[in-house]
This record gives sequence, structure tokens and C-alpha cells, in this order.
Amino acid sequence: GAVVSQHPSWVICKSGTSVKIECRSLDFQATTMFWYRQFPKQSLMLMATSNEGSKATYEQGVEKDKFLINHASLTLSTLTVTSAHPEDSSFYICSAPWLAAADEQFFGPGTRLTVL
Amino acid sequence: GQQLNQSPQSMFIQEGEDVSMNCTSSSIFNTWLWYKQDPGEGPVLLIALYKAGELTSNGRLTAQFGITRKDSFLNISASIPSDVGIYFCAGQLQAGSARQLTFGSGTQLTVLP
Repeated sequence: GAVVSQHPSWVICKSGTSVKIECRSLDFQATTMFWYRQFPKQSLMLMATSNEGSKATYEQGVEKDKFLINHASLTLSTLTVTSAHPEDSSFYICSAPWLAAADEQFFGPGTRLTVL
Repeated sequence: GQQLNQSPQSMFIQEGEDVSMNCTSSSIFNTWLWYKQDPGEGPVLLIALYKAGELTSNGRLTAQFGITRKDSFLNISASIPSDVGIYFCAGQLQAGSARQLTFGSGTQLTVLP
């Protein structure tokens, strides 16, 4: 099956700093990737759709200037949390559809962000 | 974003028992997916359903795509300790090149020895 990786797996930062999270499709190309946020004991909430070669599409209520998304290549999307605050602490997960598997989406292992 | 209605929210069962959980939606979906998430990890795909009425098995797991395309259920037979985790249903609409998923609220499964 397809493999999606994320880096880092966890990060702790001070309030006001920016944090970059990488999402990579390791053995397939992904023109589209999705970024989700998951708070403890809650479901996954879609934040944005990352599109290779074009701007990301953000869900309602998600601040574009705070969560910067760059789909640099067919295997890499990055999410940058700018000027992070404690309320941004969450589990961030990316996913990518694998065309060879009828667009089944494969998820990364997630990144745990803690903002002090 | 929109969420699917998933039930039950949590289940405590004895090892060896069968489990059933379901999801309903007010919207029609073209694809239903069932994922399992272990603590601190991303969801792992268990079963994908593509046609209304489709019944699909994966080992001890069986899932069905409702005829109305607004619901799906997942059954786990003869549960074992490693079945512990959170199970999510997800509905998928195909709109152009987007493959966005809408997730259910999750079912926390605990298997007692």
C-alpha cells in the first residue's frame, strides 16, 4: 500500500514562533493532499486542501495567513503554523489520495504540536 | 466542517464478542470508508465501499454501503485485544479533482480480556 510520512512527529514550541510540518508521499505522486486537525478525543476536521502548483483551498473558519500551505512538489506539502499560540496545540494529520487504489486516501502518522 | 452521525460513541465488550457500529448522514456520499486510529497515530484504512448496497469483508471485518447512500455499518466478529482503538467512518464526495473526506465522530472500542 501507499505510504505517507510526516515530519516531525512531535514538536514543542514557544508562543509566537512558527512551526513547519512536512507531509510526503513516499512511493506515489499526489497532486492533492489534505490537512486535518484533531483535538483530543475528537474527530478529524479538514483544514485545507493542498494543490500542487496552485493555491490551497481552506475550509470555512480556517485562517489562511495563520496556516500557510505550500505544495512544493508532487510528493511534498508543508503546513506552517505562524505565530503559534497555545490554542493551536493539536494533532495535525495529512492525507493523500492514491490514484492507483481508486483514490483511497492514505494518512500520515500525524504531528503532535504543543505550544507553550 | 460537516460531520457524520456515528454511533455508538464508545463500546466496552468482552474478547470474542461481535461488534457493530454505524454511520448516518443527511447527505449522499459516493464512497464510504472505515478507518481505525490507534493513540498518537494517523488513521489506517480498513475497508472502502464504492457501490450502494455493497457488502465487503476484510478478515473479521464486514462493512456495508447503505442502499440510500446515506449510511454504512461496520461489524467486527470475534473481537480480540488488538481491536482496541477508535473507529471512524468517512464519506467521500467526488467533486472534480477533490477527494475530501467527511469524518464521523468516532467509536472508541475497548476489548476486555
